[in-house]
Amino acid sequence: EVQLVESGGGLVQPGGSLRLSCAASGFTFSSYWMSWVRQVPGKGLEWVANIKQDGSEKYYVDSVKGRFTISRDNAKNSLYLQMNSLRAEDTAVYYCVRLGELVRGSGYYYYMDVWGKGTTVTVSS
Amino acid sequence: DIQLTQSPSFLSASVGDGVTITCRASQGINNYLAWYQQKPGKAPKLLIYAASTLLSGVPSRFSGGGSGTEFTLTISSLQPEDFATYYCQQLISYPWTFGQGTKVEIK
Repeated sequence: EVQLVESGGGLVQPGGSLRLSCAASGFTFSSYWMSWVRQVPGKGLEWVANIKQDGSEKYYVDSVKGRFTISRDNAKNSLYLQMNSLRAEDTAVYYCVRLGELVRGSGYYYYMDVWGKGTTVTVSS
Repeated sequence: DIQLTQSPSFLSASVGDGVTITCRASQGINNYLAWYQQKPGKAPKLLIYAASTLLSGVPSRFSGGGSGTEFTLTISSLQPEDFATYYCQQLISYPWTFGQGTKVEIK
């Protein structure tokens, strides 16, 4: 069974740090781009970061650039999100997501085809 | 950043009804668009990608269309399990963005 399981969420004070982990199973982890997506409870979805299969390319939403770092360990089938200088507005459920890829003509179509159940991060004093 | 605006934001319908949700992009995104379904307390689920390609296993009552700046998600005959919130997402340029969501509720 294809599965993503997040861990590492919790309550942290503003300015603090937290490291989220995502354990992947049931597929060849090293063959896929991976993402983190977050959702404030009761609100919409926000893409946070992407990482290429070998970790050589990383992309972030502006609001987390310089504070969050996405990384992966293909030997451990794991994805990570290091979150520093946390703010109240980072409070959300964080989802680990696998990116599927369709090659059609000259285009690469990505899509978020496997999602974890999420881990909750609360930033509050 | 590319903004996605879904309409309506809220939709009330009955089992068996056909419904269409529209997603408009602030600039052309070719067909680099996906649709997701989310139920309360659950992670989103992919329905459609590349604007019109149905993910394997998703019921055929779901269909997607459009290209450029205007896209649609159509549910041909609402089933009880379809009452949920639906999001579109553009994946042509960073930052990837989502629409604000359309909540489909039972009339």
